[in-house]
Amino acid sequence: DTGVSQDPRHKITKRGQNVTFRCDPISEHNRLYWYRQTLGQGPEFLTYFQNEAQLEKSRLLSDRFSAERPKGSFSTLEIQRTEQGDSAMYLCASSSFDPSGNTIYFGEGSWLTVV
Amino acid sequence: AQSVAQPEDQVNVAEGNPLTVKCTYSVSGNPYLFWYVQYPNRGLQFLLKYITGDNLVKGSYGFEAEFNKSQTSFHLKKPSALVSDSALYFCAVRDDGTGRRALTFGSGTRLQVQP
Repeated sequence: DTGVSQDPRHKITKRGQNVTFRCDPISEHNRLYWYRQTLGQGPEFLTYFQNEAQLEKSRLLSDRFSAERPKGSFSTLEIQRTEQGDSAMYLCASSSFDPSGNTIYFGEGSWLTVV
Repeated sequence: AQSVAQPEDQVNVAEGNPLTVKCTYSVSGNPYLFWYVQYPNRGLQFLLKYITGDNLVKGSYGFEAEFNKSQTSFHLKKPSALVSDSALYFCAVRDDGTGRRALTFGSGTRLQVQP
């Protein structure tokens, strides 16, 4: 069990550029989540996949944001035309189908700084 | 709607003393409750969860939490604090009655354990 892996860990980009983050969940976890965390705040839910299906999307996920999980394994989160307000840590998490309550395990996060 | 409140931004405790980090929640159905810990520039680590059953839940690193339905609380406790427990602690809730998978997190409580 290698844990949730995220890449890159840090990204600095100029305003207006596109960025993409990748997440590899714990193997055999069929559920995958993206959260965003800004300084001094708790994580905020962005979106949720069960296998390759995107089943939940937050209103925080504007049309500049898109997430995919094409084969039900890894996922990508793309932000188009980045804005300074997008600067945050983007957290990926995964869970299995677990009748005891679906514990969600988080990765180390991907820091985005938009300058 | 589901929500979580962590009323204390920071808790200070001396090493060896008991600690409590407070959390209250609001859901319309049955709550799934979680505690996570975050060290600087890291992702979130799962500590413990309450789904059903015994109101006292034991978790990692000697932490425990008590579910109180009448007070809608889920306070995190440890009998004897360590300096290494100093970190940011997040309470999270999911309403089992909604069918949604998203966790809602509190704003976090910084625990400072003094030697």
